[in-house]
Amino acid sequence: GAVVSQHPSWVICKSGTSVKIECRSLDFQATTMFWYRQFPKQSLMLMATSNEGSKATYEQGVEKDKFLINHASLTLSTLTVTSAHPEDSSFYICSARGSSGRYEQYFGPGTRLTVT
Amino acid sequence: AQSVAQPEDQVNVAEGNPLTVKCTYSVSGNPYLFWYVQYPNRGLQFLLKYITGDNLVKGSYGFEAEFNKSQTSFHLKKPSALVSDSALYFCAVRDGNRAAGNKLTFGGGTRVLVKP
Repeated sequence: GAVVSQHPSWVICKSGTSVKIECRSLDFQATTMFWYRQFPKQSLMLMATSNEGSKATYEQGVEKDKFLINHASLTLSTLTVTSAHPEDSSFYICSARGSSGRYEQYFGPGTRLTVT
Repeated sequence: AQSVAQPEDQVNVAEGNPLTVKCTYSVSGNPYLFWYVQYPNRGLQFLLKYITGDNLVKGSYGFEAEFNKSQTSFHLKKPSALVSDSALYFCAVRDGNRAAGNKLTFGGGTRVLVKP
């Protein structure tokens, strides 16, 4: 149980285009989802936290108009990187936590974005 | 503010020997502590957590961790390491005080290399 999927697993796009990444909780309802960014050989940096049906809360320094997050249902959250630039190239990981009282977050397999 | 320190960038150990990955934390309220493992180009896999109760926590794949409140530590241990344990390990903390929010803060990660 507690499986989180991400799609796509990798994507290459041209500078100036937008890319949408999906995060799904497959076997539980995720009341809270998190989006992280990870640079090579570095730790995870929290970008934003979203609760189902509410606006996402962004961490300081993260542009909310560039990284659009939607958490429309208890099993799906999306991250859209708008007008992508090469510096947005990174490994994006989502995680989810349910409402069952469990404390741990479950992580998706990640999406590697390369902007050319 | 909460923080996690993993003092070792890399730990090398021979297969069959004990493995220890160090972690210290700082948090205002009660600490909720977690260990995750990451394999190359993958998301994070949950290993174990400490929320309350017994200071020695047993988790997946033979790993365990000991919560030490006085030393604010939560070191990860495995009595006999396997080559397949070679991966990147992250310690994380969350403030158990609900008013502090849901934010999970990660350490910088420790790369474990188990040699045959």
